[in-house]
Amino acid sequence: AQSVTQLGSHVSVSEGALVLLRCNYSSSVPPYLFWYVQYPNQGLQLLLKYTTGATLVKGINGFEAEFKKSETSFHLTKPSAHMSDAAEYFCAVSRGGSNYKLTFGKGTLLTVNP
Amino acid sequence: GAVVSQHPSWVICKSGTSVKIECRSLDFQATTMFWYRQFPKQSLMLMATSNEGSKATYEQGVEKDKFLINHASLTLSTLTVTSAHPEDSSFYICSADHFAGASTEAFFGQGTRLTVV
Repeated sequence: AQSVTQLGSHVSVSEGALVLLRCNYSSSVPPYLFWYVQYPNQGLQLLLKYTTGATLVKGINGFEAEFKKSETSFHLTKPSAHMSDAAEYFCAVSRGGSNYKLTFGKGTLLTVNP
Repeated sequence: GAVVSQHPSWVICKSGTSVKIECRSLDFQATTMFWYRQFPKQSLMLMATSNEGSKATYEQGVEKDKFLINHASLTLSTLTVTSAHPEDSSFYICSADHFAGASTEAFFGQGTRLTVV
């Protein structure tokens, strides 16, 4: 079975500050890991994903995440927050392969203060 | 990128009626689609896996007779909430796997807000 834990349901940062959203996972097989962003009343947009290879993954909008197997973590970071980054962020894990059946964390609401 | 479209974006229905939600992959074929449910301020919970040309696979605890899924073509999956009740009010989101060479990505629809009154 797989599970995802996102530490902190709400993170608040100032504009220009570092964004750090935490995600830890549990998986019995090598995982595929994802970060999605959701704006109010909208679907999910993929920010980045880790499947294999390089453990530091760069995504859209300046976000990046590092897969750390020893820590079972996949934290999302962005050096400088922008007001437009305010949204709900979900970490997800799948078993990989051709079937992207995703297990999501509970989400972290990011607010950016001017 | 690939586009997945859901229709309607929002719907209000009376208790006891049925509602159909469509999920379409607009520019690619999807043999597998997924249906999720999202309660307010909570995460997405996978309801079922929709397989083109065969029966859907439901997650534990999801009533298959209440949430009917049909995946009759490679570009369309439908979710029908039968005999809807207020507790079925939720945000329903579908996703479709898009294979592009060696890479696969799940693309999500924009979601459907269902309110049962």
